[in-house]
Amino acid sequence: ETGVTQTPRHLVMGMTNKKSLKCEQHLGHNAMYWYKQSAKKPLELMFVYSLEERVENNSVPSRFSPECPNSSHLFLHLHTLQPEDSALYLCASSQDLGVFTDTQYFGPGTRLTVL
Amino acid sequence: RKEVEQDPGPFNVPEGATVAFNCTYSNSASQSFFWYRQDCRKEPKLLMSVYSSGNEDGRFTAQLNRASQYISLLIRDSKLSDSATYLCVVITGTASKLTFGTGTRLQVTL
Repeated sequence: ETGVTQTPRHLVMGMTNKKSLKCEQHLGHNAMYWYKQSAKKPLELMFVYSLEERVENNSVPSRFSPECPNSSHLFLHLHTLQPEDSALYLCASSQDLGVFTDTQYFGPGTRLTVL
Repeated sequence: RKEVEQDPGPFNVPEGATVAFNCTYSNSASQSFFWYRQDCRKEPKLLMSVYSSGNEDGRFTAQLNRASQYISLLIRDSKLSDSATYLCVVITGTASKLTFGTGTRLQVTL
């Protein structure tokens, strides 16, 4: 196991629902990331947090709202999603943000289906 | 032009074969390069970093060609367990500017 856990592993929600994805890393890392992986498309970086501060928001719609209460936990709050938001949402962590040789460790992902 | 381009494959090779993948990147300022492996319905995992001097780990060799802006991955003596999607990853600027390719799918058969 990589030391990064995500819950739930699968989620089906309607467009009017509100749900949250949770990520926890047990590696003592300082940086955490949310990615979206859709079929036939490369992983898309959504948000980056370093020491609980958001440092990157890659033009993600406001219906996705991240939260990082501490360096071990990262949430992605979802509301009024669209069917095209159905994808695998991956969380990752790395030791630090500034060291560009740092390896990123991924969680198993949450497979989200929006009906 | 895409920032990171890979041939999606699939590459179907018999066990024991040698197979090579290339990945091209568009930004000459990119400074870090990695190969990740992703098994079906699993998360990506780091396979190896890529250096200008080359990097070898057992049956796997990664190479960087800055002049032509591509990285390569060579797998010798392919095993069935090598079947996966291989993702090329490029970092430009800070570690937050990490760009993935779409991946190259490898299927090793008996």
